[in-house]
Amino acid sequence: KAGVTQTPRYLIKTRGQQVTLSCSPISGHRSVSWYQQTPGQGLQFLFEYFSETQRNKGNFPGRFSGRQFSNSRSEMNVSTLELGDSALYLCASSPDTDTQYFGPGTRLTVL
Amino acid sequence: GESVGLHLPTLSVQEGDNSIINCAYSNSASDYFIWYKQESGKGPQFIIDIRSNMDKRQGQRVTVLLNKTVKHLSLQIAATQPGDSAVYFCAENTADKLIFGTGTRLQVFP
Repeated sequence: KAGVTQTPRYLIKTRGQQVTLSCSPISGHRSVSWYQQTPGQGLQFLFEYFSETQRNKGNFPGRFSGRQFSNSRSEMNVSTLELGDSALYLCASSPDTDTQYFGPGTRLTVL
Repeated sequence: GESVGLHLPTLSVQEGDNSIINCAYSNSASDYFIWYKQESGKGPQFIIDIRSNMDKRQGQRVTVLLNKTVKHLSLQIAATQPGDSAVYFCAENTADKLIFGTGTRLQVFP
């Protein structure tokens, strides 16, 4: 089976812009979770989607949002980008068991 | 709040030696724990997991030990190899959320 894929792998934006990141889960996995990874804060949970519904949410502002499509693919959106949003954004999929499998991430740089 | 932490930020071992990476967790209600390995430029890779009804689980060259009494988790890597060099994270699964520790960098030298 192909692993979790994320696009794009690298992205450069400027403050105030918005960005959309995409994640394709492992075939058959219905749960998709998003994480933000920074050197200072480590890996932090953003949200989880299951069957097109947000099932869980971390402690991030409303500028961070996501959605999941009927084919389980997921997107996350960050509006009004801030310098502090520069991070590696990781997507993980799960067949609705506890184990999550991560993609390679999207490296977002905000200038 | 809930947190998962690590005792050592960097661990240096000689090739062929055994490595032990430790982790403390705070949520006694967590019932599932995972170790991930993250190499530079890649996402975390699943290594091994353990449920709270177990105290030990073995994989290929890796063993995870769980001590619920002191809320401690450890990852043992036997015969450490250069390819084991990476950052290792422990994570606890609580209410379908993974809470990660800060990570330990494992450096393997010849």
